[in-house]
Amino acid sequence: DTGVSQDPRHKITKRGQNVTFRCDPISEHNRLYWYRQTLGQGPEFLTYFQNEAQLEKSRLLSDRFSAERPKGSFSTLEIQRTEQGDSAMYLCASSSRGVTNGYTFGSGTRLTVV
Amino acid sequence: GENVEQHPSTLSVQEGDSAVIKCTYSDSASNYFPWYKQELGKRPQLIIDIRSNVGEKKDQRIAVTLNKTAKHFSLHITETQPEDSAVYFCAARSGGADGLTFGKGTHLIIQP
Repeated sequence: DTGVSQDPRHKITKRGQNVTFRCDPISEHNRLYWYRQTLGQGPEFLTYFQNEAQLEKSRLLSDRFSAERPKGSFSTLEIQRTEQGDSAMYLCASSSRGVTNGYTFGSGTRLTVV
Repeated sequence: GENVEQHPSTLSVQEGDSAVIKCTYSDSASNYFPWYKQELGKRPQLIIDIRSNVGEKKDQRIAVTLNKTAKHFSLHITETQPEDSAVYFCAARSGGADGLTFGKGTHLIIQP
């Protein structure tokens, strides 16, 4: 286990299509986070899981976005009816005891909506 | 919600000189302030952090200072080296939340 894995690395989709991304955290980390990063900006918090429970959701997470972590291990982030404004890097991070222990980020999934 | 402002957006310094990046935050309940470094095409990595009950923290060539009254915190890098070139993000955690609010980043360029 060498770190946080995200799949796919790149995704190009047509506007209106649904997309799903996967994140595999470090195995002993029970906390998992999704962030979105656009060019020239810092990461923006989307949502957070502790084990399988989704504990925080940002206002940025519209009804078109849904995240799951069914068994408290990997997580998926789905975007329905994609829009051009959804184009961004989607970063996953995990932590063993919360944000004050520091995040380990994955390499991200770059989404391009055309 | 929390708002984090970061300055400057770009900072160019001569190798060996010091670099200072400043951030302000809006939520007085914020209690944890990390700094992340992101090299081109790579993932953000935590380089140093500070909690609200501490005024300063050092780790070799990097240090962070926090002024709770003024609601600002700064990253100081001394004896800069070419490998310090990257984008640096400050962030703040509000109260008991586990999500972070990040600044927009500072692109640090080390001139040889």
